This record gives sequence, structure tokens and C-alpha cells, in this order.
Amino acid sequence: DADVTQTPRNRITKTGKRIMLECSQTKGHDRMYWYRQDPGLGLRLIYYSFDVKDINKGEISDGYSVSRQAQAKFSLSLESAIPNQTALYFCATSDLSTPSIYNEQFFGPGTRLTVL
Amino acid sequence: GEDVEQSLFLSVREGDSSVINCTYTDSSSTYLYWYKQEPGAGLQLLTYIFSNMDMKQDQRLTVLLNKKDKHLSLRIADTQTGDSAIYFCAELEDSSYKLIFGSGTRLLVRP
Repeated sequence: DADVTQTPRNRITKTGKRIMLECSQTKGHDRMYWYRQDPGLGLRLIYYSFDVKDINKGEISDGYSVSRQAQAKFSLSLESAIPNQTALYFCATSDLSTPSIYNEQFFGPGTRLTVL
Repeated sequence: GEDVEQSLFLSVREGDSSVINCTYTDSSSTYLYWYKQEPGAGLQLLTYIFSNMDMKQDQRLTVLLNKKDKHLSLRIADTQTGDSAIYFCAELEDSSYKLIFGSGTRLLVRP
């Protein structure tokens, strides 16, 4: 079983709709992240959470919100989707309680979102 | 703010060496990384280098770090078709433990 899972894997929606992307992890990690990937732009950080009570904005948080429902779950919402939010979205985790010496992040398989 | 830059595309012949280059701006980063993204998948850590090292070798992979020029490179020896992927350079922002990613280099290995 995958350690970091994302649902849905693919989603097509219309402008103005509310969308939620979900991420679950079985790694027991405290830190979770949401990124978006656009061709030629690499990965950009949307939001990150260092524990259930700690949520922080990344570099491109406008138009997005997150919820850390439990240590293992971190969801990303688009309150009113717009076409330029069409992208590949990744969730990632890393360890805080017993930090890896090199702070590796573990990525989910991604959610491809298309906003028409 | 921090910025990490990479060339977008590299094509090599199978069996040749590949060299993927990266420049970064945060001289205080403790760790620098190379992540690999295969088609339809998430990113996986390929290798990393600690900032007090100049070179790290791991089987077919060689990472070179030039701190003065803020330049990082990844050399893949005897490149195979299975190495075709997107390779991301990343630096660790020490104050926040955030990763700053480059734009990714798409490596195409021709038979």
C-alpha cells in the first residue's frame, strides 16, 4: 500500500465550483505540504502544516484553503475554481518528531485537476 | 526570495553520461537535493548533498556542489532509457524547513 495517497487522481470541473483534494498518509509524519506543478515552473508550495494546529501559507496560497483534520489527513480546497488553477497537485509529508538527517519529503502520486 | 534555476530539457544517447545543472540563491541552505519524477508519478528523492561537501557519489550518480558559485550538478553515468524522467533540484530553506524547487529538467534518453 502507498504511504501517501491522494484522491481523486483526476478531476475535471467547471469555473466557480468548489473542489476538495484529499491527502492521507500512513507514515506517521507530522509535516504535510501541498504543491502545484505547472509545466516549466516546477513545484510551488501552496500551504504547509507542521502539526494539526499549525497551518502556514506558502508562496501561492491565494484562491486555496486547507484543513488538517488529523495527523494523517490534509485536504486542499478551491473555494471557487478558476481555469488558471488547472495543474497537477501534489501532497507531501516529512518527519518532524524524529527528523531525518536530510529532511526528505515523500510525495503522493498527484491529482490532475482541470478547470473548464 | 530564494530562486532555483535549471535548464528545461536535456537529450542524451543511451550509454552516454548526462549532466543536469542547477543554480540556487540561498547560500545558507544546509541541504540540496535532486528529486526524480517519472511519468505519471510523484517525486522521489534521488540523492542529496550536505552543504559542507563538494562531491557525493552513489553508484551511477555524482553530485557536485560549488558553493562559491551556488551551482549544483547531477551526473548520471551510463545513462539508461529508464533514467528518462524530470529531475528537480531543490534547496532546503533552513528557517522554515521548506523546499524550494527548480523548474525541473526533462531528460530524454535516446536508444
